[in-house]
Amino acid sequence: GESVGLHLPTLSVQEGDNSIINCAYSNSASDYFIWYKQESGKGPQFIIDIRSNMDKRQGQRVTVLLNKTVKHLSLQIAATQPGDSAVYFCAENFTGNQFYFGTGTSLTVIP
Amino acid sequence: DAGVTQSPTHLIKTRGQQVTLRCSPKSGHDTVSWYQQALGQGPQFIFQYYEEEERQRGNFPDRFSGHQFPNYSSELNVNALLLGDSALYLCASSLVEGVGGYTFGSGTRLTVV
Repeated sequence: GESVGLHLPTLSVQEGDNSIINCAYSNSASDYFIWYKQESGKGPQFIIDIRSNMDKRQGQRVTVLLNKTVKHLSLQIAATQPGDSAVYFCAENFTGNQFYFGTGTSLTVIP
Repeated sequence: DAGVTQSPTHLIKTRGQQVTLRCSPKSGHDTVSWYQQALGQGPQFIFQYYEEEERQRGNFPDRFSGHQFPNYSSELNVNALLLGDSALYLCASSLVEGVGGYTFGSGTRLTVV
């Protein structure tokens, strides 16, 4: 199957700064994308989703951008807080209800 | 409202043994998917159940099998365990249409020795 890749495996940011986590996907047929947050010892937690007919979607402190031309997805976290420290995954869907996950980016927020 | 619950939380098995993991989906969800997450990796899709049937299957051998019950709960069975089966096994529930993505449980940590 197609794989989802992340540009940076680790990211460290100062508390209060904005964070940007990037993701590349390879299947142009993917039409639904989700960002998940996984804290240590827990399962992935839904953050925000976006469909391929959109290029931007905003949530509370988070924004997802989708660039279908270059098959790129990003997650922006505003005013990053220590509680945002976790591993972030993007997941793509192009067949049925099956999602493909990337390796993940570990975000560390420095107080 | 309870989310997805999985049992047990941790399990140690010997190579060659068989294991059964259990999952209760979030209330209102009708579809259960199972994922394997190796340490430091993203979750890998094993299979998905809907209406008590396997709808989709990832690239996993037949040693991995599952079942869904009329109350939507599900089991994952792994036979002839290998050391490489050691991982976090995640259950995720959703609506069949997939809107809103998955709700994940906290997983079962399986260690094969």
